[in-house]
Amino acid sequence: AQTVTQSQPEMSVQEAETVTLSCTYDTSESDYYLFWYKQPPSRQMILVIRQEAYKQQNATENRFSVNFQKAAKSFSLKISDSQLGDAAMYFCAYRRNNAGNMLTFGGGTRLMVKP
Amino acid sequence: KAGVTQTPRYLIKTRGQQVTLSCSPISGHRSVSWYQQTPGQGLQFLFEYFSETQRNKGNFPGRFSGRQFSNSRSEMNVSTLELGDSALYLCASSLGGSWTEAFFGQGTRLTVV
Repeated sequence: AQTVTQSQPEMSVQEAETVTLSCTYDTSESDYYLFWYKQPPSRQMILVIRQEAYKQQNATENRFSVNFQKAAKSFSLKISDSQLGDAAMYFCAYRRNNAGNMLTFGGGTRLMVKP
Repeated sequence: KAGVTQTPRYLIKTRGQQVTLSCSPISGHRSVSWYQQTPGQGLQFLFEYFSETQRNKGNFPGRFSGRQFSNSRSEMNVSTLELGDSALYLCASSLGGSWTEAFFGQGTRLTVV
């Protein structure tokens, strides 16, 4: 079974600074997808960024980027120029290819942004 | 376009009762998945329906069941409610392929007393 681990229950960053959230996963599959989701107080999960395992290039979406290390099974999220609106729970998630829409989530990291 | 709609948003039930939650996916989406979110267990996958058929199932007891209608709307039913079923239940819809993005609803907060 696949597992996803987020070792940082809480992180804090100063506004405009950069923060990195960690995620490791365990799988015997070679073809899969990795995601970072944001869950603000409204509770609605919002996709932040997605990475296909077969792609060596790290995904980037504006201020959000990932460091994907397939061999190490590591998938960290870097948030640059942090904004107050970035404060939320962040979940790392794994989806095996050809597994439909079945996501395995990590335990989450609560990100606080200080003004 | 309209997002994923879950109803009701809040629900209080008594232990032993049953409950039905509803999820209306984004138009055109054929996959609907359900997740349970609790402080202790985190986010756990319940099941996924695609074109009215259950495609994936998580590790939950048989008290948890679901179905999907021809218009892709989905319902989740929990029978014989237990206090431990108190949770936020999230629904996500997608086009169906494993590469496609899952869009989540705002969830139904179920409290069992």
